[in-house]
Amino acid sequence: DSGVTQTPKHLITATGQRVTLRCSPRSGDLSVYWYQQSLDQGLQFLIQYYNGEERAKGNILERFSAQQFPDLHSELNLSSLELGDSALYFCASSVRVFNNEQFFGPGTRLTVL
Amino acid sequence: DAKTTQPTSMDCAEGRAANLPCNHSTISGNEYVYWYRQIHSQGPQYIIHGLKNNETNEMASLIITEDRKSSTLILPHATLRDTAVYYCIVEGQAGTALIFGKGTTLSVSS
Repeated sequence: DSGVTQTPKHLITATGQRVTLRCSPRSGDLSVYWYQQSLDQGLQFLIQYYNGEERAKGNILERFSAQQFPDLHSELNLSSLELGDSALYFCASSVRVFNNEQFFGPGTRLTVL
Repeated sequence: DAKTTQPTSMDCAEGRAANLPCNHSTISGNEYVYWYRQIHSQGPQYIIHGLKNNETNEMASLIITEDRKSSTLILPHATLRDTAVYYCIVEGQAGTALIFGKGTTLSVSS
C-alpha cells in the first residue's frame, strides 16, 4: 500500500460523457502527478500539481483538466469522452516538487463504450 | 522519448539473481537513474535510484558503470512475486515527471 488512494476503481461510461477521477496523495506529499496508461501508448505523464498550483503539463488533451484542492487532493476531469480515452489512470505523489521518487495509487480503470 | 534502452523481456529461475540491464548512453552529469516496476496493471512501484555510486536497499542493488552509460538492477533472490515490468528511467533531480519507456518484462518461474 503506497498510501495514495484513487477513486473510483472502475468507471464505465459512454462516448461524449464527462467523468471525474479523484486522488488523495500520501500524507504530507505536496506534489501530485497524473499518468495515463493505454495498451498502445504505455505510461504517459499528463499533468503535475504542487501545493495547489499547476507545475508541468505533459501529453494532456484539451478535453482533460485537473486541479489540486487546499486539502491537497486532486481531481482529473475528462470530458467529451472518446473510445480512445479508455485506459488506466494513475495518480502519484511525492514530497518535493522535483523529487522523482513517486508513490503511485492503484489506478482508475476507465472504459468508454 | 525515453532516454533508455532495455531488453523487451527476460526470464529468471526462482531463487536466482535477476540482472536487468539498461543502456543510457546520453545521460548527462546531473541526471539520476531510477528504477520502477509495475506488477500486472498495479501502480508502478519505486525500487531504487542512483547517480554514480552503486546503491543497495532492501529490494535491490543498482550497479552503474563508471562512464554512467549503462546500469544493472539486481534482484538478488528473485521470487514469483517479482514477475513484473521493470522500467529504467533517467531524470535530473530537477525533473518534473517520469518518462516511461517500454521497460523489461521479467518472468520468474519455479
